[in-house]
Amino acid sequence: DAKTTQPNSMESNEEEPVHLPCNHSTISGTDYIHWYRQLPSQGPEYVIHGLTSNVNNRMASLAIAEDRKSSTLILHRATLRDAAVYYCILRPYGGSNYKLTFGKGTLLTVNP
Amino acid sequence: NAGVMQNPRHLVRRRGQEARLRCSPMKGHSHVYWYRQLPEEGLKFMVYLQKENIIDESGMPKERFSAEFPKEGPSILRIQQVVRGDSAAYFCASSPITGGDTEAFFGQGTRLTVV
Repeated sequence: DAKTTQPNSMESNEEEPVHLPCNHSTISGTDYIHWYRQLPSQGPEYVIHGLTSNVNNRMASLAIAEDRKSSTLILHRATLRDAAVYYCILRPYGGSNYKLTFGKGTLLTVNP
Repeated sequence: NAGVMQNPRHLVRRRGQEARLRCSPMKGHSHVYWYRQLPEEGLKFMVYLQKENIIDESGMPKERFSAEFPKEGPSILRIQQVVRGDSAAYFCASSPITGGDTEAFFGQGTRLTVV
């Protein structure tokens, strides 16, 4: 499975935008880029996913580099509730794409 | 539409006892996945089931662990003769279909403590 690399931790202030980076230099042409997050003592929660184009939803935006070797999850205005571990995960179009391979993720701390 | 329901939320078992973890997928979801999160570690895939069938159990320990998803009722993850190393959070997820562009919906997890 293609691997992703994320910073171990990041810090943000409430009400400010947050840009969470993810490197995936070995991504294949049919891999989708998914983001999940896990709040303390909770199960993982889907955030967003994309293939080539940038994506927006009510939770966040996903900016995908033109060569697809990196992506950035953007939280437009961080709230205290956004403090969580954020996971960047690649899912192939076919094969064992039902498995989510979680790495260590990025621990986001939001300061009031 | 209720989310993925797992129960119990917390389970304490003595070494050697059996643990039964239940997962009711979201309505209309026929695909269920179990993941385990050991203390201070990431989530690891255990098993993937569709109604009455185990599709992939490559992440599940060969002994003492079993999973089922009967035609009626919740999916069950069963751990026989629990040991301290089984203490972890067990998460269930479900989806209506599988595919690289689909999302999985997770439950709140069952936290198993073996004493």
